[in-house]
Amino acid sequence: EVQLVQSGAEVKKPGESLKISCKGSGYSFTTYWIGWVRQMFGKGLEWMGIIYPGDSDTRYRPSFQGQVTISADKSFSTAYLQWSSLKASDTAMYYCVRRGPTGTMDYWGQGTLVTVSS
Amino acid sequence: QSALTQPASVSGSPGQSITISCTGTSSDVGAYNYVSWYQQHPGKAPKLLIYDVSNRPSGVSNRFSGSKSGNTASLTISGLQAEDEADYYCSSYTSSSIFVVFGGGTKLTVL
Repeated sequence: EVQLVQSGAEVKKPGESLKISCKGSGYSFTTYWIGWVRQMFGKGLEWMGIIYPGDSDTRYRPSFQGQVTISADKSFSTAYLQWSSLKASDTAMYYCVRRGPTGTMDYWGQGTLVTVSS
Repeated sequence: QSALTQPASVSGSPGQSITISCTGTSSDVGAYNYVSWYQQHPGKAPKLLIYDVSNRPSGVSNRFSGSKSGNTASLTISGLQAEDEADYYCSSYTSSSIFVVFGGGTKLTVL
């Protein structure tokens, strides 16, 4: 069974750093793109970036370039999303997703809620 | 890239059928048969309902069906049930980006 399991909810202060994770299982982790999707409270879905764990090819949406870093460790079948300095506006739910070759996001993690508040 | 256009909300009574539209352009929805639909219940992660315009993953009810005409894709839910009340998002492959383009989402209310 394919699963993406994300790390737990986080509460941080502005300016702090954070790294959240997404562990894949039940499939060949290195042969599918893994993306990160942000959902702010009451809003829609936004792509942030995506990585191909097989060769670590990473792409970012322009609005997220320089704001976050996406990485993957194929030996642990885990993808990561990290911030070096959080802002209150980063408060949101973050989902990792597996992207198939035709763009279908066939599996989703359960989501990680990040709350940034002083 | 621009979002796909969905109605903000639709509603229907139990047992009825409803259709949610998803309008894109000739660069995304109109160009490829790679439209997907996702269902999201409050507080839950989105779940894949339809892929490649009209295919259902294993385990998805056949009350859900997808279609496409030109630059507009549609999701139809027949025999509406209370449990169908959720947000629905469409997405489409686009050749201009690795990132599929999303619709803004449609809130379905079952009256």
